[in-house]
Amino acid sequence: KQEVTQIPAALSVPEGENLVLNCSFTDSAIYNLQWFRQDPGKGLTSLLLIQSSQREQTSGRLNASLDKSSGRSTLYIAASQPGDSATYLCAVRPADQTGANNLFFGTGTRLTVIP
Amino acid sequence: DVKVTQSSRYLVKRTGEKVFLECVQDMDHENMFWYRQDPGLGLRLIYFSYDVKMKEKGDIPEGYSVSREKKERFSLILESASTNQTSMYLCASSPPGHSNSPLHFGNGTRLTVT
Repeated sequence: KQEVTQIPAALSVPEGENLVLNCSFTDSAIYNLQWFRQDPGKGLTSLLLIQSSQREQTSGRLNASLDKSSGRSTLYIAASQPGDSATYLCAVRPADQTGANNLFFGTGTRLTVIP
Repeated sequence: DVKVTQSSRYLVKRTGEKVFLECVQDMDHENMFWYRQDPGLGLRLIYFSYDVKMKEKGDIPEGYSVSREKKERFSLILESASTNQTSMYLCASSPPGHSNSPLHFGNGTRLTVT
């Protein structure tokens, strides 16, 4: 069964710093990988989706990379701001599923950006 | 923008009560999901549905049932609530099949069973 790990569980950085969040998964047979943001007490908001054939995706100050063969993805946040403080989760969609297609989630990295 | 709406943000129920959690999406998505989220355990899939009146068990279906009578609405039912069902419940939807569209989540329902 696919297992998704995110280390560290928590991270604090001063405002303006660039940072990298890590995600690793055990089975490289994935269809895509998604990064989500979750604010306290709220649902998840999709940030970026990388298809298995892609190496990276960018949206504004966010850049997500995927190395499928090594089972790793990173989320790079440039020039961090206090508003970036949230929990970031990654999730993989296995390649061998049909139908509704479940996602396997990591437990997230809680990011605090200090003003 | 896709909107997934969960009817309650917070619920407090007593042990043994029957509990209904409602979820509605407005993008005509075929797939709908119910997850629960617990500290240290992440999101775990309870049930999903890929069409009206169709349902499939996820990883932790015990103690739960679901109903999908209309495409836009997916209900999670706790037949007899127990304290170990205290959790954050998240509903999500997505287009059909093997899709590269992201999952869209509601804001969650925090359920406390006393």
